[in-house]
Amino acid sequence: QVTLTESGPALVKPTQTLTLTCTFSGFSLRTGGLAVSWIRQPPGKALEWLARVDWDDDKYYNTSLKTRLTISKDTSKNEVVLVMTNMDPVDTATYFCARTDTYGRYCFDFWGQGTLVTVSS
Amino acid sequence: DIQLTQSPSSLSASVGDRVTITCRASQSISVFLNWYQQKPGKAPKLLVHGLSTLQSGVPSRFSGSGFGTDFTLTISNLQPEDFATYYCQQSYSSPEWTFGQGTKLEIK
Repeated sequence: QVTLTESGPALVKPTQTLTLTCTFSGFSLRTGGLAVSWIRQPPGKALEWLARVDWDDDKYYNTSLKTRLTISKDTSKNEVVLVMTNMDPVDTATYFCARTDTYGRYCFDFWGQGTLVTVSS
Repeated sequence: DIQLTQSPSSLSASVGDRVTITCRASQSISVFLNWYQQKPGKAPKLLVHGLSTLQSGVPSRFSGSGFGTDFTLTISNLQPEDFATYYCQQSYSSPEWTFGQGTKLEIK
C-alpha cells in the first residue's frame, strides 16, 4: 500500500524559508523509473508542479520558481524534502507530494493528503 | 510551456447524465494526457493515464479519448460521488508536466 504524508509549518512569515518533508511508504526511490514530485494549489485555484527528484537523484524544477527551490531525498528514510526560499503571500497554498511514474505511465499516481501553508506576517 | 485549456470551467448535470469535459493542448502532446478527480479538501486522484487507460479501481463509466491537441473525459451514468473538480495533465513535455485549470462538475 502506497502512502505519502507531507509535514511542515502551517504558517510562515514573508521572506522566510519554507521546509516541507514528504514521508512515504509502500515503494522505494531505489526503484528505476520512480520519482517524487511536489505540487501546490493556491486556495480555489489550479494545480502547479514545483519540483521532482528521480530515483537516480536527478532533480528538476519549475522554470519560474527554480531560483527559490531545492529538492532532496533520503532514500534510507523514505523522505523527500522541499525547500522554498523568500516566501511571499502569493505562495499561500496546499502543498502536495506525489509519487511520480516517469517510465511507463508518466503520471502522478499516488498523492499525499496535502499540507496548507499560509504566508502572512 | 505547454498550456492546457479545459472547457467548460464549470458544468451542472444530474445523476444518470452523460457528461464530456474537453482539454485542449497548445501543441501536440500525442497520447501523454492524464485525468484527475479532486473532491473538496482532498488530494487529486488519478483516474486515467496515457489518454485512455483507467487507473486500477476506477469505474468503467469513466473514459478518456483524443489525440494530439484535443482530448475528452466522458463520464456516463453520473453517480453522486462523481461530483467533483476534474483536471487534465500533460506528461509530454518532461519534466515540466502541466495541468489544466480544472472543470467543476456540480449537481443540477
